[in-house]
Amino acid sequence: DAGITQSPRHKVTETGTPVTLRCHQTENHRYMYWYRQDPGHGLRLIHYSYGVKDTDKGEVSDGYSVSRSKTEDFLLTLESATSSQTSVYFCAISEEVQGRTEAFFGQGTRLTVV
Amino acid sequence: QKEVEQNSGPLSVPEGAIASLNCTYSDRGSQSFFWYRQYSGKSPELIMFIYSNGDKEDGRFTAQLNKASQYVSLLIRDSQPSDSATYLCAFGGTNKLIFGTGTLLAVQP
Repeated sequence: DAGITQSPRHKVTETGTPVTLRCHQTENHRYMYWYRQDPGHGLRLIHYSYGVKDTDKGEVSDGYSVSRSKTEDFLLTLESATSSQTSVYFCAISEEVQGRTEAFFGQGTRLTVV
Repeated sequence: QKEVEQNSGPLSVPEGAIASLNCTYSDRGSQSFFWYRQYSGKSPELIMFIYSNGDKEDGRFTAQLNKASQYVSLLIRDSQPSDSATYLCAFGGTNKLIFGTGTLLAVQP
């Protein structure tokens, strides 16, 4: 499972509250990603990190921030949760295998904003 | 135009038949292509990758890539009910993977 743990696995929160999701990896991978998955949209990249304190935006970054203060942890924060952020969130790591990038996913976090 | 296009399905095939899943992409510079399988309520898992034109076979799975047509496909021979899942294609962008929306495959016993 590439040593990826997401927490929490499920969360229900109220509109307007801050929420932080955690992704922890044990194998010292440089690249980490946060995706969200919604019906009809597939997996969409929110933010990614290419090292400690090095992050960049994906295609759906509005309303989200990230931090990576340690190699093993990549945090996703919803500053003020909205109902449109109800989704399943996947953390992923990537590693170079014979010149190609392969991604491996965590178990996912189901977030419901009410 | 979306970067990756997939038919959302569902694609229904009888057990033992060949399932054919297709994907087109827009980035001509893409070098690597992947197929992920995702069971309901689970995370995606990598099942195939391809980066050269032509076919690549792994057991019952064959990936086909045509860079000139910007087209990648996945064939599943002797389909089994356990193959019922959503299949996501992806290509390697700069430091990240870009995913399609996925095709739901239903194999009927």
